Amino acid sequence: KQEVTQIPAALSVPEGENLVLNCSFTDSAIYNLQWFRQDPGKGLTSLLLIQSSQREQTSGRLNASLDKSSGRSTLYIAASQPGDSATYLCAVNTGGFKTIFGAGTRLFVKA
Amino acid sequence: GAGVSQSPSNKVTEKGKDVELRCDPISGHTALYWYRQSLGQGLEFLIYFQGNSAPDKSGLPSDRFSAERTGGSVSTLTIQRTQQEDSAVYLCASSLVPAGDYNEQFFGPGTRLTVL
Repeated sequence: KQEVTQIPAALSVPEGENLVLNCSFTDSAIYNLQWFRQDPGKGLTSLLLIQSSQREQTSGRLNASLDKSSGRSTLYIAASQPGDSATYLCAVNTGGFKTIFGAGTRLFVKA
Repeated sequence: GAGVSQSPSNKVTEKGKDVELRCDPISGHTALYWYRQSLGQGLEFLIYFQGNSAPDKSGLPSDRFSAERTGGSVSTLTIQRTQQEDSAVYLCASSLVPAGDYNEQFFGPGTRLTVL
């Protein structure tokens, strides 16, 4: 059974710091991995999707990596800003529509 | 065009009442998903629609929950005889491609359901 774990559960950093959010999954047989951002009381915003054949994806200050063999993905945020404060979720697609979500990392960036 | 929309954004109901939640996916997206997010919990898959195929209802928590998708577009999630444990945010998502490497899901803003 696929399980997705995100560490840390919460993180507080000063503005400008580079940071890494971690996601691990138990079954390496995945189709893709998607990182989302969720603001309080809002839906999920897709940040990056990494296909199973890819190792990383970049969008602006965000870089996501994928290591299927070790069951890990990281989301790197460069030069963090207060506007980055949100909950970050990773989700693993295990085939077809089946997507397993992690519980998320709550990020607070202090001005 | 527009993203995934959901209505209502908030719904407060009394225990035992029925509620209907609506989702309007991105135009052209054939796959539609319903999830539930309870306070402090991760997303829980409820039901999946793909085109005109029979939906996958394997995530529905009880027979009080049902969903339909009319004309391959708008979907309605119905909860009958609501219970307090049904209180959660109900999220809808759609994707252009239902399976494979690139089925990127796009989410609506959710409906926050409170059962008193």
